[in-house]
Amino acid sequence: EAQVTQNPRYLITVTGKKLTVTCSQNMNHEYMSWYRQDPGLGLRQIYYSMNVEVTDKGDVPEGYKVSRKEKRNFPLILESPSPNQTSLYFCASRSLGTGENQPQHFGDGTRLSIL
Amino acid sequence: GQNIDQPTEMTATEGAIVQINCTYQTSGFNGLFWYQQHAGEAPTFLSYNVLDGLEEKGRFSSFLSRSKGYSYLLLKELQMKDSASYLCAGYNNNDMRFGAGTRLTVKP
Repeated sequence: EAQVTQNPRYLITVTGKKLTVTCSQNMNHEYMSWYRQDPGLGLRQIYYSMNVEVTDKGDVPEGYKVSRKEKRNFPLILESPSPNQTSLYFCASRSLGTGENQPQHFGDGTRLSIL
Repeated sequence: GQNIDQPTEMTATEGAIVQINCTYQTSGFNGLFWYQQHAGEAPTFLSYNVLDGLEEKGRFSSFLSRSKGYSYLLLKELQMKDSASYLCAGYNNNDMRFGAGTRLTVKP
């Protein structure tokens, strides 16, 4: 089954404790991205990646890092989480091979609470 | 830049038709998507328009006017399960940008 898998689904942690949210897709998609979703603000892009070893900042990259060492994986790293990073996070992927009119496929989301 | 605007909330009755509008201001615009998102769940793809006109997919249709920077999603024969948020999104080159979403409540 084609899917984007995020882990963990839920996490409560404390300020300053490094955490990583993993994302993996099994569709051989070149493009992967991370969004956060906050009430009234919609989905805002944090980082995206066009392919292995290629990453770019989205609209709200501050406080986050990503890496793309393999095509299928795109982890999101919070080196020193703060309460304003409490949010619902989504990973997404899409194919670039057949043009730009490809929808993104989303993971089930990760709800992070930073105390 | 790319601003995407849509109403925050709408309410409609089961069995009725509802139209959710989306306006955008963009440079480098490459197409307009609609997603459905139930509370706490992932967005799921509904439709895509790259050319002007209406795209129909069962009970859901989407319209685009590029000259007016305007799109709408039309939902017919509303069902209770259609209560969800509907997100308008567009590609600016390789970045997909989302509107804040329209929360639709379907009442009996």
